[in-house]
Amino acid sequence: SQQGEEDPQALSIQEGENATMNCSYKTSINNLQWYRQNSGRGLVHLILIRSNEREKHSGRLRVTLDTSKKSSSLLITASRAADTASYFCATDAYGNKLVFGAGTILRVKS
Amino acid sequence: DTAVSQTPKYLVTQMGNDKSIKCEQNLGHDTMYWYKQDSKKFLKIMFSYNNKELIINETVPNRFSPKSPDKAHLNLHINSLELGDSAVYFCASSQASDNQPQHFGDGTRLSIL
Repeated sequence: SQQGEEDPQALSIQEGENATMNCSYKTSINNLQWYRQNSGRGLVHLILIRSNEREKHSGRLRVTLDTSKKSSSLLITASRAADTASYFCATDAYGNKLVFGAGTILRVKS
Repeated sequence: DTAVSQTPKYLVTQMGNDKSIKCEQNLGHDTMYWYKQDSKKFLKIMFSYNNKELIINETVPNRFSPKSPDKAHLNLHINSLELGDSAVYFCASSQASDNQPQHFGDGTRLSIL
């Protein structure tokens, strides 16, 4: 069954605004990862947050993890048109076996 | 200098045919994966190999047979193709240890006529 579920399914914002995407999951995890997929391309790894971490930053990206609520969020600050893509969370319960959510489609309008 | 490369990028074929997709990674990773992404963009793992040994085999029809000649290559052979096999197939690789990101190829779009 699907582990991660993203919310919202789609998000449309203006360039310069912040974008927040949420992910919920069901079982215990070793880590949670966020990936970006541009149209017609493969997934690109953005951030990995371990189960004992609560927050992680990478450039304009900020990821939080709340294991008590089994949820994570991805914040993209000062969005750019180039951030337009689908964003997926993936949970790793064991052995690098990733279970992906359905993704959030982000559109950044210039 | 593509890290994970798949061929072909597009594959259009008739129902009942047999086809193969090839994947190669030059990252020195020990583990390789095959994923299937359906028309709703839902991505699901199919297989995982570590140093040529099968370690993950999800509930995939046995018409799908992965083969890993060495740790840098993982090919996917599909027999007797069905309409429901139409999807984008992604190869990925990672280090074998825990908490490792995966690196994906650009996918092979398989269309069954």
